[in-house]
Amino acid sequence: DTGVSQDPRHKITKRGQNVTFRCDPISEHNRLYWYRQTLGQGPEFLTYFQNEAQLEKSRLLSDRFSAERPKGSFSTLEIQRTEQGDSAMYLCASSSGRARHNEQFFGPGTRLTVL
Amino acid sequence: DQQVKQNSPSLSVQEGRISILNCDYTNSMFDYFLWYKKYPAEGPTFLISISSIKDKNEDGRFTVFLNKSAKHLSLHIVPSQPGDSAVYFCAASLYNNNDMRFGAGTRLTVKP
Repeated sequence: DTGVSQDPRHKITKRGQNVTFRCDPISEHNRLYWYRQTLGQGPEFLTYFQNEAQLEKSRLLSDRFSAERPKGSFSTLEIQRTEQGDSAMYLCASSSGRARHNEQFFGPGTRLTVL
Repeated sequence: DQQVKQNSPSLSVQEGRISILNCDYTNSMFDYFLWYKKYPAEGPTFLISISSIKDKNEDGRFTVFLNKSAKHLSLHIVPSQPGDSAVYFCAASLYNNNDMRFGAGTRLTVKP
């Protein structure tokens, strides 16, 4: 399977703990995106990488959130000192960047529950 | 600010009939629109898109219509099949689509 993969699929943590999620994009895609989706809403853009460079960050991405893509391949999203409001589905997507508009291919998501 | 709105949270249609899903947007600078379909426990999957220079794009049973003056787009599925039952998200982007804005989604149920 050469689609976007995310790990873990589910994460339950206690408030105040740190969590880290991983995303493996489609191998030839140089663009990688993180989104957050809460119940009853569509995905909300968090951040975007082109290769290893983080080029855009949403104001939704507070300073407790950090994302990396060290070698331009997989990416990690870390949330420090989690809060109950961080409970959501975290989606990763990738695209090829070859054309001006590229449909993004999404992974299955990581569902985070903060108790 | 919710720049893309899907005002119908759910839609139910009979198999074989037409499904029409609607989407409104507020930012006239959006120049590319997409529809995604999402099944439970899966990420959204791309369905069909349309550039702002067009008013219609067709792909098999799926057609997207864009009315720029009304800032409205719609997705038509004809004929609807039970396998089409899913949540459908409308999305819009500006040039370079790095910040794609999604609607809240419409849950389509196609009854056999």
